[in-house]
Amino acid sequence: QKEVEQNSGPLSVPEGAIASLNCTYSDRVSQSFFWYRQYSGKSPELIMSIYSNGDKEDGRFTAQLNKASQYVSLLIRDSQPSDSATYLCAVNTANSGYALNFGKGTSLLVTP
Amino acid sequence: GAGVSQSPSNKVTEKGKDVELRCDPISGHTALYWYRQSLGQGLEFLIYFQGNSAPDKSGLPSDRFSAERTGGSVSTLTIQRTQQEDSAVYLCASLPGQGYLNEQFFGPGTRLTVL
Repeated sequence: QKEVEQNSGPLSVPEGAIASLNCTYSDRVSQSFFWYRQYSGKSPELIMSIYSNGDKEDGRFTAQLNKASQYVSLLIRDSQPSDSATYLCAVNTANSGYALNFGKGTSLLVTP
Repeated sequence: GAGVSQSPSNKVTEKGKDVELRCDPISGHTALYWYRQSLGQGLEFLIYFQGNSAPDKSGLPSDRFSAERTGGSVSTLTIQRTQQEDSAVYLCASLPGQGYLNEQFFGPGTRLTVL
């Protein structure tokens, strides 16, 4: 299966700082890219989607996509302790009805 | 509106028993996916249903796993002769249709523990 790679972390940032989460993928035909946030014991919650190269901003979140480099990132500005969670990167292709292929997630800890 | 629901929320079973996990998709959604999340393995795709078409079973890990979707709505994932390695959280997602622009939203999951 094609790979989606994330640094497992933990990534620790102080409150108010920018958290930068990175993801690389191996399948060049990947078409859509998603970031999910998962709190311990909860199901993944979609926070961002991005489909074309460049940046996409939504509130404190910015997703960045570079298809040439097969790289997608998530920036969280003004990080809050409530942002502490595991962040999952997911990509899809036309295979299996655009089923999602997930990375193993990066654990983020925002310290007060 | 109501989201995807799953039952039971937790299931503890003994090795060798069969279990059934249920997913109720959002009303009107034609696409339904099952995933599982195991410690150390991340989230992995299991099976995909689209309407009344034959399901895509390419992610099922063994022939002990099967799933059906009745009337294009409720889906049941069945695991026969459960093994300890089947312990995981089983997640379901539904969509109004297929296509790469569709964002998948997950149900709360069923945590399966095989003793």
